[in-house]
Amino acid sequence: QTVVTQEPSLTVSPGGTVTLTCASSTGAVTSGYYPNWFQQKPGQAPRALIYTTSNKHSWTPARFSGSLLGGKAALTLSGVQPEDEAEYYCLLYYGGAWVFGGGTKLTVL
Amino acid sequence: EVQLVESGGGLVQPGGSLKLSCTASGFTFSGSSMHWVRQASGKGLEWVGHIRTKANRYASAHAASVKGRFTIARDDSKNTAYLQMDSLKTEDTAVYYCTRLIEGSSDAFDIWGQGTMVTVSP
Repeated sequence: QTVVTQEPSLTVSPGGTVTLTCASSTGAVTSGYYPNWFQQKPGQAPRALIYTTSNKHSWTPARFSGSLLGGKAALTLSGVQPEDEAEYYCLLYYGGAWVFGGGTKLTVL
Repeated sequence: EVQLVESGGGLVQPGGSLKLSCTASGFTFSGSSMHWVRQASGKGLEWVGHIRTKANRYASAHAASVKGRFTIARDDSKNTAYLQMDSLKTEDTAVYYCTRLIEGSSDAFDIWGQGTMVTVSP
């Protein structure tokens, strides 16, 4: 059973910077896992933010960036805004199947 | 407008069946891999399965939790993907979303539907 692990919760001040990570129980995450990141606010469908590690969609705010960091996929928010308070999920590819992380609840306080 | 619309959710008894639909508009459906994702109330997202394009022989895959009970299909002439759910269990209760994957040098999930609620209860 493959497990993808994210921080359960993080808190950041408005205007600050925070990094969310995504680890795989199988070892280091690489671009071959095609890491995708999603944002979900209460009562809404998920919204895609980042694909294949670091690529942004046309609607992704510039303050969001994706990378690989220390064997994990990472999502960094720079200059956090109050509207960034949400749940964030990563998604990794395992050769035919995809697995979501458990999600990180980001609080902006 | 590019969009996905799910339908077919409802209340079903344990052991019953339900078929969800995901209808696409605004893009070339036949060229897109389609995925189903679910979310139980207050829980995280769970990948359910996918079906690829004709060029990829309509290959499909399913999560271990639904394998042998759920089947994903598509009808490109109707721009619709389906999730056939059989032998339903109470733990299948969730909001079910469909989403599109753009395959290529980069695998990108982009658009999502609004979701349809499935409740499995006696």
